[in-house]
Amino acid sequence: TQLLEQSPQFLSIQEGENLTVYCNSSSVFSSLQWYRQEPGEGPVLLVTVVTGGEVKKLKRLTFQFGDARKDSSLHITAAQPGDTGLYLCAGEMLQGAQKLVFGQGTRLTINP
Amino acid sequence: ETGVTQTPRHLVMGMTNKKSLKCEQHLGHNAMYWYKQSAKKPLELMFVYNFKEQTENNSVPSRFSPECPNSSHLFLHLHTLQPEDSALYLCASSQETKIHQPQHFGDGTRLSIL
Repeated sequence: TQLLEQSPQFLSIQEGENLTVYCNSSSVFSSLQWYRQEPGEGPVLLVTVVTGGEVKKLKRLTFQFGDARKDSSLHITAAQPGDTGLYLCAGEMLQGAQKLVFGQGTRLTINP
Repeated sequence: ETGVTQTPRHLVMGMTNKKSLKCEQHLGHNAMYWYKQSAKKPLELMFVYNFKEQTENNSVPSRFSPECPNSSHLFLHLHTLQPEDSALYLCASSQETKIHQPQHFGDGTRLSIL
């Protein structure tokens, strides 16, 4: 059983469409981080959400942290081919020094 | 350019070989991490070093041996690996291991065990 479940695992849509991907858990996290990983590269941090209910925007990307700090969502408006990649969420465990637990990722393909 | 450089980018080795992966960070960070990324499995934390001291060993088999000679360099020594060890090995660094610190990843070493 994975601590963080991401859905969907795969998503292929047309350029210009909107989409939402989810990151869910039964555990509470001190923060959630979202990364994007492109083929042949390591993950790159997009955003960190810390407060329950927090919403952060990064251009066309909107990130939300659930009120109970157990889940998060990423919404992309007017998707572009450059958004293609593997989106990973990572939960920071509530106790102790930083330890990130990653979801298995959502592989997103935006078709021109 | 992420500031974290991993070498080699690709490595093919037999089960009886001994090899080492290298990671170097140019960000002035004090914490460094090794992760394993396998197909269809989440990124798995292997080891954590903070100020050159190992602070986390996530039940990693002894055929993987980390070394952190200083805060800028991290090695992963490999010996008698198994086919299931084939994966992408990622190194990351952060300012410290305190909470909310963003991690900066290298581009990984793609390891194949024959």
